Amino acid sequence: QQQVKQSPQSLIVQKGGISIINCAYENTAFDYFPWYQQFPGKGPALLIAIRPDVSEKKEGRFTISFNKSAKQFSLHIMDSQPGDSATYFCAASRTGANNLFFGTGTRLTVIP
Amino acid sequence: NAGVTQTPKFQVLKTGQSMTLQCAQDMNHEYMSWYRQDPGMGLRLIHYSVGAGITDQGEVPNGYNVSRSTTEDFPLRLLSAAPSQTSVYFCASSYYLGSGTDTQYFGPGTRLTVL
Repeated sequence: QQQVKQSPQSLIVQKGGISIINCAYENTAFDYFPWYQQFPGKGPALLIAIRPDVSEKKEGRFTISFNKSAKQFSLHIMDSQPGDSATYFCAASRTGANNLFFGTGTRLTVIP
Repeated sequence: NAGVTQTPKFQVLKTGQSMTLQCAQDMNHEYMSWYRQDPGMGLRLIHYSVGAGITDQGEVPNGYNVSRSTTEDFPLRLLSAAPSQTSVYFCASSYYLGSGTDTQYFGPGTRLTVL
């Protein structure tokens, strides 16, 4: 059973546009929600993370929006660039746990 | 710092063969883990270790063994490879115990094909 559901599976965005990737979870014990970025042939790397005490976190062009009541969180990439083309994974975990549960990934392609 | 290194990059095995995937980190991280990445499945935790001499199972441990004799190294062993183990394997490390909430540093991966 997938602990974290991610959509869409793939996304094509024009350069300068906004990319939006959505994730949902069921386990209300989760209290840490990171996003990882993975380029072809590389391992995932942490992009940005949020805890449920805030509804939004912004780092440069990347923003996480968090809706605790709906158990959903999303990644917004503003002014998307071709260099943002990668696979993005949302994930969730809880304090004290050793497991990080990943979504199934979204392949983003930004067209010049 | 080299970070997390993995060898080999690619490997082809026949069903029933055994092999060891190597992982090493030079960041003095206590926590190390192995994930497998399959299309449409995301990354799933195989085994993890919270320190030298301590290992435990993750979501999908069957068919894999691990050991942690030093802080730096965390090899993953396939005792009798099966086609279902065809995947990309990632090793990761982080500072803290109970570190599902800590930044995981991933290696470059090993692409394994079992025929």
